[in-house]
Amino acid sequence: DVKVTQSSRYLVKRTGEKVFLECVQDMDHENMFWYRQDPGLGLRLIYFSYDVKMKEKGDIPEGYSVSREKKERFSLILESASTNQTSMYLCASRPTGRGENQPQHFGDGTRLSIL
Amino acid sequence: AQSVTQLGSHVSVSEGALVLLRCNYSSSVPPYLFWYVQYPNQGLQLLLKYTSAATLVKGINGFEAEFKKSETSFHLTKPSAHMSDAAEYFCAVSERTGRRALTFGSGTRLQVQP
Repeated sequence: DVKVTQSSRYLVKRTGEKVFLECVQDMDHENMFWYRQDPGLGLRLIYFSYDVKMKEKGDIPEGYSVSREKKERFSLILESASTNQTSMYLCASRPTGRGENQPQHFGDGTRLSIL
Repeated sequence: AQSVTQLGSHVSVSEGALVLLRCNYSSSVPPYLFWYVQYPNQGLQLLLKYTSAATLVKGINGFEAEFKKSETSFHLTKPSAHMSDAAEYFCAVSERTGRRALTFGSGTRLQVQP
């Protein structure tokens, strides 16, 4: 089974802090994604990466950055946390080239509160 | 840009009743289609995916979905609801080319009454 592990289930930070959310997958997937989930809005894509050191902006990248130095790890960075970034953050991974509609596999999420 | 509409943010059914969760997509080319389920305090789990091999797709836990190109729909059904089906359900689409990231609907919370 694919395992996507997010380093924290719950996190509380203060406004202005730099926040790191970590995600690790164990299936050698090329593609990794960061979403935020808010009530009534579903999941929205923040950033994704299709290879090491490669990244692309999703639909709501403002206030975030990402890092992918190793294939198995994809980090989401809040450069200067603000209260409107309080949310549930979900990481996902997906392989490439083994079928055209490979599903994404999700971690359990990090519920981040910015005070 | 593609979009996904899930009609009904909350659906309540009685145990044993039919479950019908609606999903419509807007895309000029039929996308890849998925249904995910999220139980409280957990990530998303894949229920089923549309493979284009058959319009009726069977998933886990007795769920199935039918792809109707003419209606741009991919509704999720289960003949008989169980208490354990109470969760939030998300329909998602992915383009067949390009970035292939998922676009999600806003979700439908299913409540099952005893």
